[in-house]
Amino acid sequence: GNSVTQMEGPVTLSEEAFLTINCTYTATGYPSLFWYVQYPGEGLQLLLKATKADDKGSNKGFEATYRKETTSFHLEKGSVQVSDSAVYFCALSEGTGAQKLVFGQGTRLTINP
Amino acid sequence: NAGVTQTPKFRILKIGQSMTLQCTQDMNHNYMYWYRQDPGMGLKLIYYSVGAGITDKGEVPNGYNVSRSTTEDFPLRLELAAPSQTSVYFCASTSPDRVYYNEQFFGPGTRLTVL
Repeated sequence: GNSVTQMEGPVTLSEEAFLTINCTYTATGYPSLFWYVQYPGEGLQLLLKATKADDKGSNKGFEATYRKETTSFHLEKGSVQVSDSAVYFCALSEGTGAQKLVFGQGTRLTINP
Repeated sequence: NAGVTQTPKFRILKIGQSMTLQCTQDMNHNYMYWYRQDPGMGLKLIYYSVGAGITDKGEVPNGYNVSRSTTEDFPLRLELAAPSQTSVYFCASTSPDRVYYNEQFFGPGTRLTVL
């Protein structure tokens, strides 16, 4: 079946540091890929997405590129802020039928001032 | 638009009690989902619905039931609560009209503890 594997957390960085959170996937067909973010006490919200190979999703300074050859969708940000502290989830969807999402286990990110 | 709303926000149940978690969306989305999030884990799909009157099991359906009588509402029922059902429950919805951009919109969650 389809699955998503994220780098284990938690991750703690200083403000303005470079961020990478690794995500790899296993899927049949051609999935769409997503990063969702969960701020403390809130539900998940979409951060960025990519629907086909070599697509780059970007939002709020975060970027991720859909790499079919390495089945990866790593999340990056050049300079993190304290407000980026949250849990980040990588997910995939086949994009057809019921459009169910399969999530990775999440990576808790803490940014210290 | 309020988006996806869930009630209650918190609940403590005793083993064997039953309850219904409510979920309502006002975006006219046909597709709705229930997930559970255990500590340190990703979300796992419990049940989903592609329209009123149509529901199907997800990855972890045991111990739960759902119904979908309207487009707006998708309640999740726990009949005999067990400690293993202690979790945070999220409801989500999406529209099939956006096939290649199927962002799911999530509610704020219900934190359930079974003692």
